[in-house]
Amino acid sequence: AQSVTQLDSQVPVFEEAPVELRCNYSSSVSVYLFWYVQYPNQGLQLLLKYLSGSTLVKGINGFEAEFNKSQTSFHLRKPSVHISDTAEYFCAVSEVEGGSYIPTFGRGTSLIVHP
Amino acid sequence: ETGVTQSPTHLIKTRGQQVTLRCSSQSGHNTVSWYQQALGQGPQFIFQYYREEENGRGNFPPRFSGLQFPNYSSELNVNALELDDSALYLCASSFLHTEAFFGQGTRLTVV
Repeated sequence: AQSVTQLDSQVPVFEEAPVELRCNYSSSVSVYLFWYVQYPNQGLQLLLKYLSGSTLVKGINGFEAEFNKSQTSFHLRKPSVHISDTAEYFCAVSEVEGGSYIPTFGRGTSLIVHP
Repeated sequence: ETGVTQSPTHLIKTRGQQVTLRCSSQSGHNTVSWYQQALGQGPQFIFQYYREEENGRGNFPPRFSGLQFPNYSSELNVNALELDDSALYLCASSFLHTEAFFGQGTRLTVV
């Protein structure tokens, strides 16, 4: 069974600074990887996904992530954050084998952008 | 194209009661998954339905049950509510392995 570890529960950063939110996963088979964002009192919105192909994935709102198979990581990055990026970010993994494609989520990283 | 809608948005129930939460899938999606998100935690998978059949289940007791209807809408039923069932319940629809689209959630409070 797959698992996801988000190494930082909280990441404070100043506006216009770069940020990296870390995600590591564990699985014995091929995986699909996702990053979701959750604003207060709302559902989850997909930022980006890796299914296959290029390991550098670009998403919405200027975010990107890189799939590193050898390190089993899928870290999320943004070169310059805005106040509006303050939210909870979730990394998720689903195993390709089996066909159910049920994503398992990490515990989340709270990104706090200060002016 | 309509998104995923959940109802109700909030509700309060008493311990021991039963509750039904509803979800309308996004147009064209045939798979629905339900998640429980406790405060400060990531979503925990409850179960998934594909073409009206349960297609996977997480580590939740049998008092959590579900249905998917021919129009791919879905219900989550929870019997004998416990205080720990208080959480945000999220429904997500998808088409095969494409990304899951989430509704706004139902905030359930058990008192």
